[in-house]
Amino acid sequence: DTEVTQTPKHLVMGMTNKKSLKCEQHMGHRAMYWYKQKAKKPPELMFVYSYEKLSINESVPSRFSPECPNSSLLNLHLHALQPEDSALYLCASSQEDGSMVYGYTFGSGTRLTVV
Amino acid sequence: AQSVTQLDSQVPVFEEAPVELRCNYSSSVSVYLFWYVQYPNQGLQLLLKYLSGSTLVKGINGFEAEFNKSQTSFHLRKPSVHISDTAEYFCFLAGGTSYGKLTFGQGTILTVHP
Repeated sequence: DTEVTQTPKHLVMGMTNKKSLKCEQHMGHRAMYWYKQKAKKPPELMFVYSYEKLSINESVPSRFSPECPNSSLLNLHLHALQPEDSALYLCASSQEDGSMVYGYTFGSGTRLTVV
Repeated sequence: AQSVTQLDSQVPVFEEAPVELRCNYSSSVSVYLFWYVQYPNQGLQLLLKYLSGSTLVKGINGFEAEFNKSQTSFHLRKPSVHISDTAEYFCFLAGGTSYGKLTFGQGTILTVHP
């Protein structure tokens, strides 16, 4: 299995809703990432988990709450989002903490629309 | 500080023509360089990478790139493009092994016309 699987592929939520994005990989990667990508822009790093511990939070608002229950699974919990949070949310993984030898493996993303 | 500059935001080209997508970088540490492709409504797929060694790197789908340290460039090339190559291409730099030095370029939209 050489994939990162993200669910759901599309999500529409109201500003008062609570929802979660899920990311899964079975490649034995020990670093997992959340990126946010607005239209016609490059991905922006949000969070990094290394060995199931949060190692980087790029000053992301608290309405985004990441969770790494185990080495294969990464969640992003969403609460009280704003319309400007609408974007493509990408999950990625890499082999080791900080190692770029093999680059990232990206998921296909969750297209989030906040109404 | 490090940066990645993709010199063209859009590149239109006809099918079977050659193409070059340009990427320049700036970094004070040793770098790893990557090119990723993103098809509409998709995630990013790794095309190729430069880590060390030979400066000419070959990737998937017939793409190649050349690392030029003196010109701090990592341009992506393909001798003959297909309609299916229409996508957005991102140059990506990882400076050393620090998470804080991960930088995407702004992207180049390649449009291949019949």
